[in-house]
Amino acid sequence: GQNIDQPTEMTATEGAIVQINCTYQTSGFNGLFWYQQHAGEAPTFLSYNVLDGLEEKGRFSSFLSRSKGYSYLLLKELQMKDSASYLCAAPKGNTGKLIFGQGTTLQVKP
Amino acid sequence: DAMVIQNPRYQVTQFGKPVTLSCSQTLNHNVMYWYQQKSSQAPKLLFHYYDKDFNNEADTPDNFQSRRPNTSFCFLDIRSPGLGDAAMYLCATSRDLGGGTEAFFGQGTRLTVV
Repeated sequence: GQNIDQPTEMTATEGAIVQINCTYQTSGFNGLFWYQQHAGEAPTFLSYNVLDGLEEKGRFSSFLSRSKGYSYLLLKELQMKDSASYLCAAPKGNTGKLIFGQGTTLQVKP
Repeated sequence: DAMVIQNPRYQVTQFGKPVTLSCSQTLNHNVMYWYQQKSSQAPKLLFHYYDKDFNNEADTPDNFQSRRPNTSFCFLDIRSPGLGDAAMYLCATSRDLGGGTEAFFGQGTRLTVV
C-alpha cells in the first residue's frame, strides 16, 4: 500500500524560510510531487523529484531522499500569498494516478 | 488561459437527485481523472480514463459514474447524491499514465447537497 504523512498545520512569518516535511511509503517509487492549493482553488504543480537531492526553482526548493522515504518543500522569502495548503503526492505504481497526503496548511503572518 | 475547465464552480443539488459535473480540456491529453476532496482532506482519486478506457478505483462507490464522449470532455455523474457526497470535485488531466507525468487540475466544482 501507500502512505503519505505530512504535518497538518504550520505558521511562519513573512520574509522567513519554512520547511514542510513529507514522509512516504510506496509500493514501487516513481517520484514525488508537491502541489500548492489555495483555499477553494485547484492544486497547482510546484515540483517533481525522482532523484535524490535538492531542486531549486526560484523561492521554492524541493528535496528528496529515496533511502529515507523523505521529502521536503522549502519556501524562502515568504510572502503573504504563500498562505495555502501544500500537498505531497506520489504516483500510484507506475501510473499518473496520484495518492495525496493530507496537506500542510501554511499560514504566513506579517 | 484555463486549460482544464470545470463547470459549474458551485453546484447545489437535492438529496437523491442525480447531478452531473462537467470537465473539458484544451491540452489534448490522453488521461482524465476525477478526484473527490472533502473539507480539510486530501484529494481522493475516484476513477480515470485513458483515452476511452475507463478505470475505476476499488473503493469508489457505485453511486459515482463517469462518461468521456470525446478527448476533450469528461463527466462525473452522481446517481443519488447523499449528504456525505458534499465535497469539492476536481478534474485533472495528464499527457499519459507514466509515473512522473504532471497532472493539470481544473478549478474544481464545489458540490452542496441539501
